[in-house]
Amino acid sequence: QVQLVQSGAEVKKPGASVKVSCRASGYTFTSSDINWVRQATGQGLEWMGWMNPNSGNTGYAQKFQGRLIMTRDTSISTAYMELNSLTSEDTAVYYCARGRVLAEWEAFDPWGQGTLVTVSS
Amino acid sequence: DIQMTQSPSSLSASVGDRVTITCRASQSISTFLNWYQKKPGKAPKLLIFAASNLQTGVPSRFSGHGSGTDFTLTISTLQSEDFATYFCQQSYNTLWTFGQGTVVEIK
Repeated sequence: QVQLVQSGAEVKKPGASVKVSCRASGYTFTSSDINWVRQATGQGLEWMGWMNPNSGNTGYAQKFQGRLIMTRDTSISTAYMELNSLTSEDTAVYYCARGRVLAEWEAFDPWGQGTLVTVSS
Repeated sequence: DIQMTQSPSSLSASVGDRVTITCRASQSISTFLNWYQKKPGKAPKLLIFAASNLQTGVPSRFSGHGSGTDFTLTISTLQSEDFATYFCQQSYNTLWTFGQGTVVEIK
């Protein structure tokens, strides 16, 4: 079945960087965008950006421009999300999600299991 | 960016109740609207895409309606497993945005 499996929890100090991986299986990795979404405790879902695994093209939410980098390794069907200059406000669960095209519409399905990133001194 | 506003932010209901959640877009998005269910400690799950299309495997008690700027998600007969947070999402452009969520709690 289509599945996204993310890397494990991370604890980082303020100012550091974090890199989270998302391994895809059950479909052709290069056929669908990968999106990243985060949720801080008690908060809503915040979309961060998308990446086309075929071309490597990316699009980032303005809030993260300059400190977010999305990359991929097609040989192992894995996408990566790297966030730099971390602050305590970046403490959240980070999700990857496939951008699934359904006729002329698109939705996020499925999602990875989530990776908790804690930023603390 | 397109802003998505959900109401109410939370509601209390009993098993068997009919529940309706509203989502409003800051500009017309045609039917480019998705709904997700989120339970604590779990990944979000796609319920409805294109405003009214039920994702495979989602119970028929869930339904979505609307177009343009105003949308609704209805649970016809609330079940115990439906207590969760529900988010709408616009897919009109790739600067994806979500509503702030509606928490459905047990009364």
